[in-house]
Amino acid sequence: GESVGLHLPTLSVQEGDNSIINCAYSNSASDYFIWYKQESGKGPQFIIDIRSNMDKRQGQRVTVLLNKTVKHLSLQIAATQPGDSAVYFCAENNAGGTSYGKLTFGQGTILTVHP
Amino acid sequence: EAGVTQSPTHLIKTRGQQATLRCSPISGHTSVYWYQQALGLGLQFLLWYDEGEERNRGNFPPRFSGRQFPNYSSELNVNALELEDSALYLCASSLGAGIAEAFFGQGTRLTVV
Repeated sequence: GESVGLHLPTLSVQEGDNSIINCAYSNSASDYFIWYKQESGKGPQFIIDIRSNMDKRQGQRVTVLLNKTVKHLSLQIAATQPGDSAVYFCAENNAGGTSYGKLTFGQGTILTVHP
Repeated sequence: EAGVTQSPTHLIKTRGQQATLRCSPISGHTSVYWYQQALGLGLQFLLWYDEGEERNRGNFPPRFSGRQFPNYSSELNVNALELEDSALYLCASSLGAGIAEAFFGQGTRLTVV
């Protein structure tokens, strides 16, 4: 069945360090991936996405890497700031079949940034 | 521009009762998605509506139902509430069909006692 999981449930870093959050997925048919940030008391906020025809995509201070061979993606946050402290979720989707419109989320990684 | 709005923010119900949760999508968005986020767990897909039609449904019992109105707002109904239905219910909307870059609301915290 479909599943998306995270290797590390928590990550603690110092302000200014780079953070890497990892995610494994099991559905080889997945062709679209999203990273979300969820702060306490708020809904998930879109960070960055990547399609399966790419292996890297960069945004502002964030980079997502996709390795389809081992079904793994990661989120890199450069110069992590205290405001980056949140739970980060990866999510996957395949645009065809019965999964259309449905995102499968991982359990989340808690990122804590210490000043 | 207003984001996705959900009401109520908090809802307390007794086991066996019915709960109705409401969602207003971003203006111009036609797709609405509902997700359940139980404490300590990731988001679980519930329902997807687009242009008034139910397009997809997650692995939830039939007592979870909903609808989308002509103005694209949506309602999630949970009948015969059970204690394990206690969760944060999140609504998201997107432009057109498809989950790409869906924007989430802040959720409704449902507590069943």
